[in-house]
Amino acid sequence: EADIYQTPRYLVIGTGKKITLECSQTMGHDKMYWYQQDPGMELHLIHYSYGVNSTEKGDLSSESTVSRIRTEHFPLTLESARPSHTSQYLCASRGYAGETQYFGPGTRLLVL
Amino acid sequence: KQEVTQIPAALSVPEGENLVLNCSFTDSAIYNLQWFRQDPGKGLTSLLLIQSSQREQTSGRLNASLDKSSGRSTLYIAASQPGDSATYLCAVPDSSYKLIFGSGTRLLVRP
Repeated sequence: EADIYQTPRYLVIGTGKKITLECSQTMGHDKMYWYQQDPGMELHLIHYSYGVNSTEKGDLSSESTVSRIRTEHFPLTLESARPSHTSQYLCASRGYAGETQYFGPGTRLLVL
Repeated sequence: KQEVTQIPAALSVPEGENLVLNCSFTDSAIYNLQWFRQDPGKGLTSLLLIQSSQREQTSGRLNASLDKSSGRSTLYIAASQPGDSATYLCAVPDSSYKLIFGSGTRLLVRP
């Protein structure tokens, strides 16, 4: 069973607000990932990290930023939310390259 | 650049049927291959992970096979049930160990 958590699960906010989506895992995994997924569409990698103080942008350009100050925690921040940010955001983690990648339950974001 | 393709895009079967989902990848030098299940509006649940040295993995009614040389994997679901209805995704890691996903197969098992 995967021990990876995301909060909030659902979020409705107004345009221009700053938001932080939380992701944490208790498996001690070095590698963590953020994906964005619109309903019925493919997953797109927007950020990843291979360890503390390491962050990289993914394949899909995103206005969000991430930080990795602790191994278990990988928050994603939007400084000024817009309706185009409405989507589902999925966090994932993995230990070694050959291991299973685990996903959190996701945060569904609606920006009005 | 690695590309992952899944066929069919959608599948509808009556309950009890055995079925096969297909996944193909263009670069056979993969480290492993992972099958996931995703229910609408939810995260991904890992079903099976096959290492490059393995030919197949089984978990309950699920059996995944891997043929690296031909760039193919199949997910076999035995005696399908309505609860199996979901989108099934396969994924392989690229050289930086980021997963490359297929576009998925949407499965509907009719009661």
